[in-house]
Amino acid sequence: DAKTTQPTSMDCAEGRAANLPCNHSTISGNEYVYWYRQIHSQGPQYIIHGLKNNETNEMASLIITEDRKSSTLILPHATLRDTAVYYCITKYNTDKLIFGTGTRLQVFP
Amino acid sequence: DAGITQSPRHKVTETGTPVTLRCHQTENHRYMYWYRQDPGHGLRLIHYSYGVKDTDKGEVSDGYSVSRSKTEDFLLTLESATSSQTSVYFCAISESPGGGNEQFFGPGTRLTVL
Repeated sequence: DAKTTQPTSMDCAEGRAANLPCNHSTISGNEYVYWYRQIHSQGPQYIIHGLKNNETNEMASLIITEDRKSSTLILPHATLRDTAVYYCITKYNTDKLIFGTGTRLQVFP
Repeated sequence: DAGITQSPRHKVTETGTPVTLRCHQTENHRYMYWYRQDPGHGLRLIHYSYGVKDTDKGEVSDGYSVSRSKTEDFLLTLESATSSQTSVYFCAISESPGGGNEQFFGPGTRLTVL
């Protein structure tokens, strides 16, 4: 599985878009990009995933660059409840989600 | 939310005692996983199961064993707990392991070994 690189922390004003970057320069052709988040003391929560195309669901949008070496998770209107650690993970046909240390997003009023 | 429960939610035990954590799902998912989470390490996979009585090791399996006698239950056992096993333990389930299938996580069990 490809290794991902994320900033350690980010801040975002409530109501603004939060854009969380992730680098995965060694991703292979059939590896998916997954995003999870973990709100303090809770189990990780699935957000979104994609392979090549951009994806959008009720929680977020995922933008994957054409060369697939990086991606951005977008929370269009961040709220205080979006304060969490966000994990970017690449995953092929294995059983393992390999979690890094993620990005700690702080949404402030 | 996916139907996953973990029990107990909190446990304090002493070094050398056996401990069993239970993960129960109502989703009929084939795959189940046990992770531990420690400060500075993110989540690390301990063991996983790909069916009843079918299990395999993860990256930090030493000191742990698992059993799955029913689709809905996945047990994690610490045969002789050590202080290094103080951690938060998360169970997860998925329909399949392949790319494109997300895992759903339980609420976690906080274990303290004194």
